[in-house]
Amino acid sequence: GDSVTQMEGPVTLSEEAFLTINCTYTATGYPSLFWYVQYPGEGLQLLLKATKADDKGSNKGFEATYRKETTSFHLEKGSVQVSDSAVYFCALIPNNAGNMLTFGGGTRLMVKP
Amino acid sequence: DGGITQSPKYLFRKEGQNVTLSCEQNLNHDAMYWYRQDPGQGLRLIYYSQIVNDFQKGDIAEGYSVSREKKESFPLTVTSAQKNPTAFYLCASSPKLATHAGELFFGEGSRLTVL
Repeated sequence: GDSVTQMEGPVTLSEEAFLTINCTYTATGYPSLFWYVQYPGEGLQLLLKATKADDKGSNKGFEATYRKETTSFHLEKGSVQVSDSAVYFCALIPNNAGNMLTFGGGTRLMVKP
Repeated sequence: DGGITQSPKYLFRKEGQNVTLSCEQNLNHDAMYWYRQDPGQGLRLIYYSQIVNDFQKGDIAEGYSVSREKKESFPLTVTSAQKNPTAFYLCASSPKLATHAGELFFGEGSRLTVL
């Protein structure tokens, strides 16, 4: 079946450091890929998405590129802030699967001042 | 403001009791979902509903029940048959448009603890 694998956390960085959170997936066909973010005590929010190979999703300084050849969708940010501390979830929906998201396990990011 | 409201935020239950978690949305979304979140396991789908008076089981429906009598409301009942109910429960909704596939709007969650 379809699955999403994320790097285990927590990831601890100093403010203004470069962030990469790895995400790889297993799916047939051409899934759509997503990053969701969960701030402390809150529900999830959509951060960015990409719907086809080589697409780059971007939002709030974060970006991720859909790499079909490596089945990856790594999240990056050039300079993190304390306010970016949250749990980040990679997710996919298979072709023609409506809104049935498959989520990864989540990666906690802690940014220290 | 438009959004999804879950209540209560925190709930404690004794073993053997049923509890119902409320989820209301004023986004005029057709589809609604319930997820369970456990540490390190991501989100797992319990039930979903794409239209009023219809719902389907997700990956972990055993021990749970839902209803969808109104478009705005999708309550989840955690029954005494659920073996390990302590968890964080998230409700979500989404529009029907294919161009927004995968774009879910989440509530702030309800944390259930079984004593």
